[in-house]
Amino acid sequence: AQSVSQHNHHVILSEAASLELGCNYSYGGTVNLFWYVQYPGQHLQLLLKYFSGDPLVKGIKGFEAEFIKSKFSFNLRKPSVQWSDTAEYFCAVVGSSNTGKLIFGQGTTLQVKP
Amino acid sequence: DTGVSQDPRHKITKRGQNVTFRCDPISEHNRLYWYRQTLGQGPEFLTYFQNEAQLEKSRLLSDRFSAERPKGSFSTLEIQRTEQGDSAMYLCASILMPQGDAFFGPGTRLTVL
Repeated sequence: AQSVSQHNHHVILSEAASLELGCNYSYGGTVNLFWYVQYPGQHLQLLLKYFSGDPLVKGIKGFEAEFIKSKFSFNLRKPSVQWSDTAEYFCAVVGSSNTGKLIFGQGTTLQVKP
Repeated sequence: DTGVSQDPRHKITKRGQNVTFRCDPISEHNRLYWYRQTLGQGPEFLTYFQNEAQLEKSRLLSDRFSAERPKGSFSTLEIQRTEQGDSAMYLCASILMPQGDAFFGPGTRLTVL
């Protein structure tokens, strides 16, 4: 069955610290991968996505993620976090075929201390 | 503004009542998803449509839940005989498959008293 697992449920960092949030997925085929962010009181917004090509993808606000096919992973990174990055982060996967549902992980709450 | 709208934004109802939510996706998008999200959890898949066809419905969804997407445009999600456990944020997303991004609406927050 298709599933997404995020290892860190709650992460607390100080400003300027580096960030890495883990995401592993289970799916028997080619996938498209996403990271979404949900700021307090706002709806989900796309941070970045991977469909094909270079496995290192860059998104908005200095975020990047690396797709490692052999590990079924799509970890999110940012070299230096800011207080404004405080939010919930969700990893999601959908099969690349014409059918398939978009499945989300349980999310990681990131708290950045000023 | 992502272009996906949902109505109403908030709904308070009494247990046992029926409620209906509407989602208007981005017009050219061919796929529409419904999710439920509770505090501290990721969006939980409910059902999705490819154009007007409902392709899958979550096994977690009871028979009290039904969704439609007539003519492949807007979609409605109805919950019959609401229960307190139905209280959640109901999210709609639309995508232009196969290579599109999922755009989410603001959600409808349901409170069942």
